[in-house]
Amino acid sequence: NAGVTQTPKFRILKIGQSMTLQCTQDMNHNYMYWYRQDPGMGLKLIYYSVGAGITDKGEVPNGYNVSRSTTEDFPLRLELAAPSQTSVYFCASSEGQPGSPLHFGNGTRLTVT
Amino acid sequence: GQQLNQSPQSMFIQEGEDVSMNCTSSSIFNTWLWYKQDPGEGPVLLIALYKAGELTSNGRLTAQFGITRKDSFLNISASIPSDVGIYFCAGRKDGGSQGNLIFGKGTKLSVKP
Repeated sequence: NAGVTQTPKFRILKIGQSMTLQCTQDMNHNYMYWYRQDPGMGLKLIYYSVGAGITDKGEVPNGYNVSRSTTEDFPLRLELAAPSQTSVYFCASSEGQPGSPLHFGNGTRLTVT
Repeated sequence: GQQLNQSPQSMFIQEGEDVSMNCTSSSIFNTWLWYKQDPGEGPVLLIALYKAGELTSNGRLTAQFGITRKDSFLNISASIPSDVGIYFCAGRKDGGSQGNLIFGKGTKLSVKP
């Protein structure tokens, strides 16, 4: 049972570089999410998707882009990395019924210097 | 934005002691979820609560959905070293979309053997 798989686990970027954080799930969940977690803080929602072809902004979307071409994959794109984007990024998925719990990946630790 | 107040921020306890933590909000929620995060991993769901007053157990863990729908409590009985980690509450408001799951800042639990 793979669940939600994120790659890479770690990455160091220079300011201005771009990268894509990959996320895939094998549970056939319609809903997928991207969160960032900063030290001492809870999880902040960046973007989410309720199904293939549909994405929506969360609480902190600036500096990020997403796409959802398939049910399984939900990549997160950083176009011009900034130090403020240093964080741990978590992808999650859920069945989508109201109140259904989220299943999280193990995170990508990103440092921008 | 909307906030959940989770307390305490951290706890240092002796193995065998009981633990209590809680989350409060100024808004009404229709779902409360409790997650645990181990170092280097994503949060894992412990207990989900869907009804005001609901009391649910999962082994040594017990959580309650407050009767006012503005708070929730998590208790851990007879703590053991593997209980170490960060515990997050999360709530979803009435009428909220799937993007409206709000997380507390976490309670970091340390257990002395």
